[in-house]
Amino acid sequence: EVQLVESGGGLVQPGGSLRLSCAASGFTFSSYWMHWVRQAPGKGLVWVSRVNYDGTVTSYADSVKGRFTISRDNAKNTVYLQMNSLRAEDAALYYCTTTGVRFSGWFDPWGQGTLVTVSS
Amino acid sequence: SYELTQPPSVSVSPGQTASITCSGAKLGDKSASWYQQKPGQSPLVVIYQDIRRPSGIPERFSGSNSGNTATLTISGTQPMDEADYFCQAWDSTTAIFGGGTKLTVL
Repeated sequence: EVQLVESGGGLVQPGGSLRLSCAASGFTFSSYWMHWVRQAPGKGLVWVSRVNYDGTVTSYADSVKGRFTISRDNAKNTVYLQMNSLRAEDAALYYCTTTGVRFSGWFDPWGQGTLVTVSS
Repeated sequence: SYELTQPPSVSVSPGQTASITCSGAKLGDKSASWYQQKPGQSPLVVIYQDIRRPSGIPERFSGSNSGNTATLTISGTQPMDEADYFCQAWDSTTAIFGGGTKLTVL
């Protein structure tokens, strides 16, 4: 069974940092593009970042560029999102998902999400 | 920046056909996907590559994409289809989602 399990969310003050993790299982993780997508409470989906199969190619939404860094450890079947200089508008449920071997396409499956709260 | 526009809400009676639109500049030249999200759950893809339906998704879900509009159609809508639906496409290296449509079955 394909499974994505996010962790690392929590309460952080504005300007602070947090590192999210997503543990994958049930598929050939080292061949797949991985993505982070976020959803503020009661709002829509917003794509955040993606990383290619070996971590050498990354992309970011303009809203997080320069503050967030995506990376992966294929030995641990885990993708990370390092979030620095957090702002109130970064508060959201962060989902881990994949487009398979394609750099773009449809997202399937999705994890259950990890909640990030930014507040003083 | 590229935008996808959806109606905030659509209502349909059980057994009838629901159509949810997604508009964007030359969207027909891109590949559109649709996601269903029920309260407290993660999104689930119901249509990908404009018209394709993943295994396990009922046949009543179908999609089309032409010109500036992609459409998700649910034939014989059931109460269990009540959910938020989001369209999605890629603009170069950025994934774009529509704002979402709340489908009410009443």
